[in-house]
Amino acid sequence: DQQVKQNSPSLSVQEGRISILNCDYTNSMFDYFLWYKKYPAEGPTFLISISSIKDKNEDGRFTVFLNKSAKHLSLHIVPSQPGDSAVYFCAASASGSARQLTFGSGTQLTVLP
Amino acid sequence: KAGVTQTPRYLIKTRGQQVTLSCSPISGHRSVSWYQQTPGQGLQFLFEYFSETQRNKGNFPGRFSGRQFSNSRSEMNVSTLELGDSALYLCASSSVGANTEAFFGQGTRLTVV
Repeated sequence: DQQVKQNSPSLSVQEGRISILNCDYTNSMFDYFLWYKKYPAEGPTFLISISSIKDKNEDGRFTVFLNKSAKHLSLHIVPSQPGDSAVYFCAASASGSARQLTFGSGTQLTVLP
Repeated sequence: KAGVTQTPRYLIKTRGQQVTLSCSPISGHRSVSWYQQTPGQGLQFLFEYFSETQRNKGNFPGRFSGRQFSNSRSEMNVSTLELGDSALYLCASSSVGANTEAFFGQGTRLTVV
């Protein structure tokens, strides 16, 4: 039973355009959400997070949107750069912290120059 | 500030053997979590240690165990290795409190032959 789902295994975007990565969850106890970026043979790198009391959080080129009623979140990257090419994981927690995370299956983002 | 350090980076073991992996968290972080990444199952939570006590455990058999020392360093052990245990094992450290983030190490690539 996948509690966090990333239904798009891959996404290709032109450099300079917007990348939108989506994530759905089923567990209504989740109250904290994070996005991580991962390169092969490396550990995930934290990008941005959002608490369930908010519906938007921005950090530079990265914005995360949370729609609690739809149990859906999305990560927007604007503008996309070739260095953004990586696997992006959505993660969720029911503890309000990052101490026990449930991950989605990841989306491979390719930014074309 | 030094990041999360995992040793060894690569390991090859034979079926039936046991293995111990090590993780040194970021200085000051008292929570250490372990995750397994495989192509089929993605990133899955194994267990979390805080103040030398296991606080949470994922859905893994008892062959997977861990411990945490007084300096917050953690080890995980897998006994009676199976081919399916081949994976990237990731350790994450975080501070306590709400809206924290987990910092991951580079992982240990375990291959069971």
